[in-house]
Amino acid sequence: EVQLVESGGGLVQPGGSLRLSCGASGFIFRSYWMTWVRQAPGKGLEWVANIKEDGSEENYVDSVKGRFTISRDNAKNSLFLQMNSLRAEDTAVYYCLRGSNYYGLWGQGTMVTVSS
Amino acid sequence: DIQMTQSPSSLSASVGDRVTISCRASQGISNCLAWFQQKPGKAPKSLIYAASSLQSGVPSRFSGSGSGTDFTLTISNLQPEDFATYYCQQCNSYPRTFGQGTKVEIK
Repeated sequence: EVQLVESGGGLVQPGGSLRLSCGASGFIFRSYWMTWVRQAPGKGLEWVANIKEDGSEENYVDSVKGRFTISRDNAKNSLFLQMNSLRAEDTAVYYCLRGSNYYGLWGQGTMVTVSS
Repeated sequence: DIQMTQSPSSLSASVGDRVTISCRASQGISNCLAWFQQKPGKAPKSLIYAASSLQSGVPSRFSGSGSGTDFTLTISNLQPEDFATYYCQQCNSYPRTFGQGTKVEIK
């Protein structure tokens, strides 16, 4: 089955760190750009970051630059998002997506709550 | 950053109605635009890509049009399962940006 499954979300204190993972199956992972998008509770969608097929290019929204790092392990069909210096405004459901321009495949999302 | 503005923010419609949602980009984005549908508690689902191409498996009552700065999502013959929130998203430049969403509610 073609799918993306996120994990690693949870409750973290402001200033803390969290690493999200996304496992891919059913397609040739190394052939696709991958993307993270987030959605704060009751709010709209916000694009966070993406990474090229071979990991040689990364792009970020300004609000996470210098704090978040996207990476991938093509041998393990996995995508990651390392989140440091977390803030209350980073509280959201984080979705893993396949693609750079168009996103035909989404994961189910993992919730990240930043609170003391 | 390119700002995406959807209108209306919400609308009420009846089953069988024709519904039109607009999305305007703050600068030209060619046809690099996608539409998504999201139901409460669920991940978004892709409907349209490249402004007017229907994603595989999406019913033909959904259609998209536009180019440059003005785009439209049309749902003809609205069905009960179409009541949801719809988002547009540009892919012309970084950061990718989404519209604020349009909630389609039952009249």
